[in-house]
Amino acid sequence: NAGVTQTPKFQVLKTGQSMTLQCAQDMNHEYMSWYRQDPGMGLRLIHYSVGAGITDQGEVPNGYNVSRSTTEDFPLRLLSAAPSQTSVYFCASRTEPSGANVLTFGAGSRLTVL
Amino acid sequence: TQLLEQSPQFLSIQEGENLTVYCNSSSVFSSLQWYRQEPGEGPVLLVTVVTGGEVKKLKRLTFQFGDARKDSSLHITAAQPGDTGLYLCAGASINTNAGKSTFGDGTTLTVKP
Repeated sequence: NAGVTQTPKFQVLKTGQSMTLQCAQDMNHEYMSWYRQDPGMGLRLIHYSVGAGITDQGEVPNGYNVSRSTTEDFPLRLLSAAPSQTSVYFCASRTEPSGANVLTFGAGSRLTVL
Repeated sequence: TQLLEQSPQFLSIQEGENLTVYCNSSSVFSSLQWYRQEPGEGPVLLVTVVTGGEVKKLKRLTFQFGDARKDSSLHITAAQPGDTGLYLCAGASINTNAGKSTFGDGTTLTVKP
């Protein structure tokens, strides 16, 4: 099993550019989520989804959009990148939408916005 | 916003020493997880604790969930260089949507040979 796959691994953007971070899981997990990790600030929840067609905001949703058209995929879109969005982004999934927070994480996508 | 406070933030010890990392909150949690993260990788689950007062052991690692389910600790016995990494606690309080779980800021552990 591949688990949770994130692409790209690294990306450099200029301010104002748009891009999509891809996340795919092959474990048939209902719940998927996006976190950002910044030095000294741990992991902060951006958006999450409890199933196909359902998404909701996390702690820091501004500047990011998500959609969940299939169980497997949960892309994160930056419509107009800002330097404050420089971070490492992690996608994570789990079996039960309301179950214990036992998450499987991807390897991360490091984004730099100049 | 619920808050999980981890301490210490940084810890540098010699191989063979013991250490304890703490995770505290004013909120009650339905469950609490501990993850370990290595550079360039995503966090990997170590353990889940669910019952107040619960103690779980994973080789040289001992995890404890407080009786009131507001705090947890991770104790490592005879630390080894392979234990080096970022340790994160995470959980969702009983008063919030289970989708909105919270992570502590992490404890960076360095074990020197």
